[in-house]
Amino acid sequence: DTGVSQNPRHKITKRGQNVTFRCDPISEHNRLYWYRQTLGQGPEFLTYFQNEAQLEKSRLLSDRFSAERPKGSFSTLEIQRTEQGDSAMYLCASSSMGLRDTYGYTFGSGTRLTVV
Amino acid sequence: AQSVSQHNHHVILSEAASLELGCNYSYGGTVNLFWYVQYPGQHLQLLLKYFSGDPLVKGIKGFEAEFIKSKFSFNLRKPSVQWSDTAEYFCAVTSLSGSARQLTFGSGTQLTVLP
Repeated sequence: DTGVSQNPRHKITKRGQNVTFRCDPISEHNRLYWYRQTLGQGPEFLTYFQNEAQLEKSRLLSDRFSAERPKGSFSTLEIQRTEQGDSAMYLCASSSMGLRDTYGYTFGSGTRLTVV
Repeated sequence: AQSVSQHNHHVILSEAASLELGCNYSYGGTVNLFWYVQYPGQHLQLLLKYFSGDPLVKGIKGFEAEFIKSKFSFNLRKPSVQWSDTAEYFCAVTSLSGSARQLTFGSGTQLTVLP
């Protein structure tokens, strides 16, 4: 597999439920990013991992959101007690670390979350 | 904090027309600039990037962009669009300070090319 894989593609959940998304990055990429994209907007940065360490979190990432990347491979993004405002496309991207590491910034197809 | 403005939310052109999509960023330091494209139902794909050197950069599918530092602009151009260019286009910037290299995106421009 040469791309970033995200599962599920779509998730519909009731308000108040917890949801978890998974991202499998390109295997040789050690950096992993989560973004959120709402209708009519560009993607917004949520959080970033270098290997298994979560190095940066946006203020958009409230305490209901948690992300992990055990063993520095795949990552999960969990949203607890979902709200209608959480409805969005959640994008994962990965890159390799280097002087110009943004060369290898590859996005997945995203998980579309609908909270009803 | 850095920000990116894309002035055109929706552009409609006929095939063979020329295209220019505006992008302005606000950041005082050194930046890397990108244009991404999202075709219907597909993931974001890198169209072109500017890191340094020649301010006129060429990307895939005949697209190019010019970095004008004095204007904080990075406009995307294509001399002759095709129906297959119908997509959403995002300008993005990342600063060279810090380690995360997170991208800040504009709100996007939806391009519709009429056959």
